[in-house]
Amino acid sequence: GNSVTQMEGPVTLSEEAFLTINCTYTATGYPSLFWYVQYPGEGLQLLLKATKADDKGSNKGFEATYRKETTSFHLEKGSVQVSDSAVYFCALTEGGYQKVTFGIGTKLQVIP
Amino acid sequence: DTGVSQDPRHKITKRGQNVTFRCDPISEHNRLYWYRQTLGQGPEFLTYFQNEAQLEKSRLLSDRFSAERPKGSFSTLEIQRTEQGDSAMYLCASSQVGGNNYGYTFGSGTRLTVV
Repeated sequence: GNSVTQMEGPVTLSEEAFLTINCTYTATGYPSLFWYVQYPGEGLQLLLKATKADDKGSNKGFEATYRKETTSFHLEKGSVQVSDSAVYFCALTEGGYQKVTFGIGTKLQVIP
Repeated sequence: DTGVSQDPRHKITKRGQNVTFRCDPISEHNRLYWYRQTLGQGPEFLTYFQNEAQLEKSRLLSDRFSAERPKGSFSTLEIQRTEQGDSAMYLCASSQVGGNNYGYTFGSGTRLTVV
């Protein structure tokens, strides 16, 4: 079956540091890949997506590139802010009904 | 449209009681999903509807769980004879049919605590 593996947190960074959260996936076909973010006390929000190999998703300074050869979709941001503190979930969908498989989430804490 | 709404936000119940949660999706979305999220884990798929038809149920959805979407709009998730292991955040999401490009819109969830 499908699965998503992402680095366990928590990740603690100083403001303006570079962020990488690793994500790899296993799928039988050609999934779409997503990063969701969950701020404290809130539901999940779609952060960015990529639907085919070599696509780059980007939003709010975050970006991730769909790498089919390494089955990866690592999340990066050049300069994190305190407001980026949240839990980040890597996810994939495969098939027509969009059932999503999530990773366990990586908690990011950015300190001033 | 204000997005996906879930009610209540929090529910504390005694073991053995029944609880029911409601989800109102985005009005033009014809797909509705229920997920469960426990502490420190990613959401796990429970079930989904296309319009009023329930098309898939996870093996996580025991006989004590039932979900409905009677008119293809709002949905309810009922848990009978709650157990402490049912304590979790129950998330609802909706999407529009048409491929994998859209991603979900999630509600804020209902946090269930069984004491």
